[in-house]
Amino acid sequence: AQSVTQPDIHITVSEGASLELRCNYSYGATPYLFWYVQSPGQGLQLLLKYFSGDTLVQGIKGFEAEFKRSQSSFNLRKPSVHWSDAAEYFCAVVANFGNEKLTFGTGTRLTIIP
Amino acid sequence: GAVVSQHPSWVICKSGTSVKIECRSLDFQATTMFWYRQFPKQSLMLMATSNEGSKATYEQGVEKDKFLINHASLTLSTLTVTSAHPEDSSFYICSARVLTGGLGNTEAFFGQGTRLTVV
Repeated sequence: AQSVTQPDIHITVSEGASLELRCNYSYGATPYLFWYVQSPGQGLQLLLKYFSGDTLVQGIKGFEAEFKRSQSSFNLRKPSVHWSDAAEYFCAVVANFGNEKLTFGTGTRLTIIP
Repeated sequence: GAVVSQHPSWVICKSGTSVKIECRSLDFQATTMFWYRQFPKQSLMLMATSNEGSKATYEQGVEKDKFLINHASLTLSTLTVTSAHPEDSSFYICSARVLTGGLGNTEAFFGQGTRLTVV
């Protein structure tokens, strides 16, 4: 079965600094990969997704992620964070199309300091 | 993007009572919806897959008699927590799958979640 690992439980960065959130997956083939953001007490919003093609994926709110097959990683990046980016970030994987069961990582809580 | 509305956003109930949570797709039809449970500071755990017009498929370890799922129409799925107990207190989130075009091009839209507290 597929699994997702987010090694960092909590990250703190200064406003304006760059950000990278790590995500590693375990699956035999190329999975479908997603990054979601969750504000406190809210549902999830999709930031970006990767199915195939260009391994560098652009998302909303200035986020991007890069799929690296050799490292089984799909790290999320943003060149300059804003205070409004403070939230919980989840990496997720779907093993194959037709089975839309999302398996989520444990999440990374992002804190922004002024 | 597509909108999924979940109601109520929070509910407090007495132990032993039942609570119904609704998940509606507002501007699209969803043949499949998913119900997740999220404990504080933890990830989302899939509870069940809800298919319109058929029985839900429950994940291992989820009590189907306790968490009743009904997907009677293409825009509404409900989760009923029966005989709720304090350990059922959690954040419940639904999502609906939308085919955005082309093989593999699918996206899940999430409701805003329901905070259930059983006292």
